Amino acid sequence: DVKVTQSSRYLVKRTGEKVFLECVQDMDHENMFWYRQDPGLGLRLIYFSYDVKMKEKGDIPEGYSVSREKKERFSLILESASTNQTSMYLCASSYRLYNEQFFGPGTRLTVL
Amino acid sequence: ELKVEQNPLFLSMQEGKNYTIYCNYSTTSDRLYWYRQDPGKSLESLFVLLSNGAVKQEGRLMASLDTKARLSTLHITAAVHDLSATYFCAVVEGGSQGNLIFGKGTKLSVKP
Repeated sequence: DVKVTQSSRYLVKRTGEKVFLECVQDMDHENMFWYRQDPGLGLRLIYFSYDVKMKEKGDIPEGYSVSREKKERFSLILESASTNQTSMYLCASSYRLYNEQFFGPGTRLTVL
Repeated sequence: ELKVEQNPLFLSMQEGKNYTIYCNYSTTSDRLYWYRQDPGKSLESLFVLLSNGAVKQEGRLMASLDTKARLSTLHITAAVHDLSATYFCAVVEGGSQGNLIFGKGTKLSVKP
């Protein structure tokens, strides 16, 4: 079974802090994705990566950056957290871009 | 730009009734996925539809794809409370090679 894990289920941070969210997949997938999910807005793609050290902006990249140093690991970085980044963050991976995505359990981030 | 619309966005059903959730998309695609999300949990893959006329069934759920009409349906037969969840469709952008674009989700509540 594909397994996608995220470093934290719940996280509380203060405004201005630097925040790291980590995602690891164990199926040798080429592609990894970061989404945020907010009520009424569905899933919005922040960034995705199609190979090590390669990244593409999604629909809402502002205020975020990403890092993919190893194939299995994809990190989302909030350089200076703000209250409007309070959200559920979901990581996913897939073999090809057009293949089914497998999701991690999610990280609920609260920025105070 | 591919747009994916689900309707209804909210659905309250009685147990034992049938209903259909619709997923319309705006540009050509021949790959579509359905996901389920339980409250507070992540997304789980339900169905993968890979060609025009594809039909998949599992238990009380049946999904179909009509690529000519740019429409997929998720039909619920004799609903039970356990089916209460949010259901998302996701369509491959650019026909069959691009990224997945998600609908906003349909929140289904099945009441006794």
